[in-house]
Amino acid sequence: QSALTQPASVSGSPGQSITISCTGTSRDVGNYNLVSWYQQHPGKAPRLIIYGVSKWPSAVSNRFSGSKSGNTASLTISGLQAEDEADYYCCSYAGSSNYVFGSGTKVTVL
Amino acid sequence: QVQLVESGGGVVQPGRSLRLSCAASGFTLRSFGMHWVRQAPGKGLEWVAVVWYDGGEKHYADSVKGRFTISRDNSKNTLDLQMNSLSAEDTAVYYCAREGNGYTYDYWGQGTLVTVSS
Repeated sequence: QSALTQPASVSGSPGQSITISCTGTSRDVGNYNLVSWYQQHPGKAPRLIIYGVSKWPSAVSNRFSGSKSGNTASLTISGLQAEDEADYYCCSYAGSSNYVFGSGTKVTVL
Repeated sequence: QVQLVESGGGVVQPGRSLRLSCAASGFTLRSFGMHWVRQAPGKGLEWVAVVWYDGGEKHYADSVKGRFTISRDNSKNTLDLQMNSLSAEDTAVYYCAREGNGYTYDYWGQGTLVTVSS
């Protein structure tokens, strides 16, 4: 199972919006509305920020939003803040109890 | 509150075995599927294995199939990962994670580092 494709890095200024793409195939992202997104700060465990393509877990800011079109899912961070600087990973269910993560995107707040 | 605490990591020689454990608290373990996810130094996340809430099914990534075994003891609130025939490619931080709604990982442990080196 190959990793989902994400851009290596995305940057933006405080207050701006940025979007991170996550491209898979018709066997994973395109076949299930089971894409989730995780934020990971250096040296920390990942944290769930979006599930089911566009749903928020409790206590997660609605500045994070998710969407999907075909084989590509996207995460948008609105009103970019310094604390959003982190690595972001998408993940999709891929059938038969298999899961695949994205390659990861480093977000830099300029 | 939900807590997952991994243990058992360390330095191990290639070809040897290691057993990781994850102690769960703050929730009813038997109600949730549980996963191991790993992250090689400076690299991305990689799903390793899942065990269903009742231990009835177990599934593995191709990279570890036949070498790793996931297990759980709901009476002791623990999750284990037996790792055999280790190689340098298995060097990573290993996280246990709870499966939440919609095939997600809603809680993670802090991770335990496994280094395979001679």
